[in-house]
Amino acid sequence: QVQLQESGPGLVKPSGALSLTCAVFGGSISSSNWWSWVRQPPGKGLEWIGEIYHTGTTNYNPSLKSRVAISVDKSKNQVSLKVKSVTAADTAVYYCARVQMVYYYMDVWGKGTTVTVSS
Amino acid sequence: EIVLTQSPGTLSLSPGERATLSCRASQSVSSNFLAWYQQKPGQAPRLLMFGASRRATGIPDRFSGSGSGTDFTLTISRLEPEDFAVYYCQLYSLSLPFTFGPGTKVDIK
Repeated sequence: QVQLQESGPGLVKPSGALSLTCAVFGGSISSSNWWSWVRQPPGKGLEWIGEIYHTGTTNYNPSLKSRVAISVDKSKNQVSLKVKSVTAADTAVYYCARVQMVYYYMDVWGKGTTVTVSS
Repeated sequence: EIVLTQSPGTLSLSPGERATLSCRASQSVSSNFLAWYQQKPGQAPRLLMFGASRRATGIPDRFSGSGSGTDFTLTISRLEPEDFAVYYCQLYSLSLPFTFGPGTKVDIK
């Protein structure tokens, strides 16, 4: 049973950078899956941030593309998310999720990690 | 960019009643790439349906999905107490890989 666990600083200063990792347990990051990041601001809906394949190929939400970078570390079986130049609007719960190809849905989710942008 | 609209925003029902949730796309999409998720407070989303009508592993058969083109529906045949939650539809497309609808909250009447 694959499990995902997000981790990272819970508080980031405005104009700084947010860095999160998603560790994969019970499975390989090199499986035939994409790995996505999704965020949810307090009281709001879900926003897809981007995804990565184990080869390093990425896709990003155009609305965030200029500030976001997703990377993969196969030796650690984890993916990482970096968001630069953060503002209060980046305050959210950040989730990583496994994407099943063919039908392209997210079948395994981490529990999420809360990031607050504040001075 | 394809936009997903969900209606109603809130659905107030009693346990045992039937819930019908709508997800509408701004242009015709492949039903293969339409999924539904359930989210309870403080929890991550949980996959319910994929390919518009295929139940995910472990999802009870009171949940069903249907639709094609621009209109998709999630139906809960008889609401159980644990079904009161927010439901999101999600679309995969080449232009913007993943788009979520704004959600429908099903709450207890």
